Amino acid sequence: QQQVKQSPQSLIVQKGGIPIINCAYENTAFDYFPWYQQFPGKGPALLIAIRPDVSEKKEGRFTISFNKSAKQFSLHIMDSQPGDSATYFCAASKERTGTYKYIFGTGTRLKVLA
Amino acid sequence: GAGVSQSPSNKVTEKGKDVELRCDPISGHTALYWYRQSLGQGLEFLIYFQGNSAPDKSGLPSDRFSAERTGGSVSTLTIQRTQQEDSAVYLCASSLGPGMNTEAFFGQGTRLTVV
Repeated sequence: QQQVKQSPQSLIVQKGGIPIINCAYENTAFDYFPWYQQFPGKGPALLIAIRPDVSEKKEGRFTISFNKSAKQFSLHIMDSQPGDSATYFCAASKERTGTYKYIFGTGTRLKVLA
Repeated sequence: GAGVSQSPSNKVTEKGKDVELRCDPISGHTALYWYRQSLGQGLEFLIYFQGNSAPDKSGLPSDRFSAERTGGSVSTLTIQRTQQEDSAVYLCASSLGPGMNTEAFFGQGTRLTVV
């Protein structure tokens, strides 16, 4: 019940394409869903996050779509660029209960071809 | 400091030796986390500190692993009698305490290699 399942494991797109990364969770107590971006040799950095009171959130070229009933959320990268090539992790935590432990997905390695 | 600082950045140790990994969180952050990232894998939760509350140790893989946080700031992760399977990148993160802004800021990690 604590798992967050992420797919695909890896993804290759052409520049300008729209890669989509999907995550699913089981525990309905999760109420905060961030996406982290990690470049080689660096720690993960927050990209965008959503709470279940909204179905979509956009920040620049990054969009999270959230489906509460299906317990799924996804990251879309519009007009992808080679500089977006990185590993992306979804995560979930329980803000309401004051438990801020993040449960991470297994990551998606994205490569954007020039 | 400006960000989460971890030291050392790299550590090579012989099997059976003890190691200590250090994390300096962002000033004012009351929450501190340790995660482990094995090659090509996701982030595995190890331990979570929040203020003066008892830490959540539910992710520690064995009793060879322990962590402490002194004065609500610096944290040390200790691995005793290291094994080859302990080889991984150990990531520390910190965040503000309970509230709506729970962004976790990560350090660059300590790459541990057990030979």
